[in-house]
Amino acid sequence: NAGVTQTPKFQVLKTGQSMTLQCAQDMNHEYMSWYRQDPGMGLRLIHYSVGAGITDQGEVPNGYNVSRSTTEDFPLRLLSAAPSQTSVYFCASSQHVGGRGYTFGSGTRLTVV
Amino acid sequence: AQRVTQPEKLLSVFKGAPVELKCNYSYSGSPELFWYVQYSRQRLQLLLRHISRESIKGFTADLNKGETSFHLKKPFAQEEDSAMYYCALSGPGNNDMRFGAGTRLTVKP
Repeated sequence: NAGVTQTPKFQVLKTGQSMTLQCAQDMNHEYMSWYRQDPGMGLRLIHYSVGAGITDQGEVPNGYNVSRSTTEDFPLRLLSAAPSQTSVYFCASSQHVGGRGYTFGSGTRLTVV
Repeated sequence: AQRVTQPEKLLSVFKGAPVELKCNYSYSGSPELFWYVQYSRQRLQLLLRHISRESIKGFTADLNKGETSFHLKKPFAQEEDSAMYYCALSGPGNNDMRFGAGTRLTVKP
């Protein structure tokens, strides 16, 4: 049982480049979300999904896109990377929001230069 | 608006001393509250949730609705408790879990 798997673990991008952060879970969880973790600011919600085909914006969605074509996968796309997007990104899943708590992936450390 | 405040960014105690990590929240309704922990170079993991009233690794947390607080406590800190701790809040019907800024706990030998 892998839980929540994120790839890549590390990435360096140049300003203006695009990329996709991958997230997959094998627990048949309906709810998935993306957070960014910045020093002194905790975790902030970027986008979330309550099921396949349904996504919505969180607290800091600008510059990011998501899609949920299957229950298992929830990729996060950076459209045109900016230095302000340098952060650690976490994917999380749960049977439903809150509930018994989230299962987190191991994170992707992204640096935009 | 729902908000979680952890007033201490850093907290340092000696091994064997009691520890309390503060968490205050604002929410109009009945929230679900959680504590998550992130050990060095590891992913965040759920430590405990208020609804289950459990004690995990010697930690407990009591929801005080009057003071809108959910402080995390442990009577005797251990060195392996050194980690980043996040308080989080979710409201029934909300598709959103809000996290505090986190408190880095260091337990000195």
